[in-house]
Amino acid sequence: GENVEQHPSTLSVQEGDSAVIKCTYSDSASNYFPWYKQELGKRPQLIIDIRSNVGEKKDQRIAVTLNKTAKHFSLHITETQPEDSAVYFCAAIDDNDMRFGAGTRLTVKP
Amino acid sequence: DTGVSQDPRHKITKRGQNVTFRCDPISEHNRLYWYRQTLGQGPEFLTYFQNEAQLEKSRLLSDRFSAERPKGSFSTLEIQRTEQGDSAMYLCASTPPGDTQYFGPGTRLTVL
Repeated sequence: GENVEQHPSTLSVQEGDSAVIKCTYSDSASNYFPWYKQELGKRPQLIIDIRSNVGEKKDQRIAVTLNKTAKHFSLHITETQPEDSAVYFCAAIDDNDMRFGAGTRLTVKP
Repeated sequence: DTGVSQDPRHKITKRGQNVTFRCDPISEHNRLYWYRQTLGQGPEFLTYFQNEAQLEKSRLLSDRFSAERPKGSFSTLEIQRTEQGDSAMYLCASTPPGDTQYFGPGTRLTVL
């Protein structure tokens, strides 16, 4: 089955700096890679996703890159703000299964 | 609210009791997933339905856990003879095929 590794587990940046979170996956059949943001006590919320036929996708301050050959994908947040502080989860999906990374706790210091 | 709903939002029970949670997915979504999440961890897959058929169960799902989706709409997750290690947030998510999962608010279970 799919195995998703996520790094780092914690990340602290200064407001305005960029943050990068990286994930690797094992199942070459995975074809869809969403990223979720989860604030304390709340449900995971989708923030951006990428499909296997796309190498990069941007949405304002957030971007995701995918390297299918190397089986890794990354989340990039630019111009971070204190409200970006949360736990971020990557996931990899084939037609049926979705597996999550263990999460990255991002802290943006004002 | 047309999103995924879960009931109850919180459940406190004594060890050894049975509990049942309900999930109502988004109506046109044919796939429904159950996850368990403990503090500081990502959601952990438990089981998945396509319509009323339970297609996959995690090896982590002991025989004390059972899930149903009798009419292909709402689903229930039952835990029998609860243990303290069952304390977690239980998340339900629904999805149309090949698309992302939309999560419910979760049911937080505390086993005393």
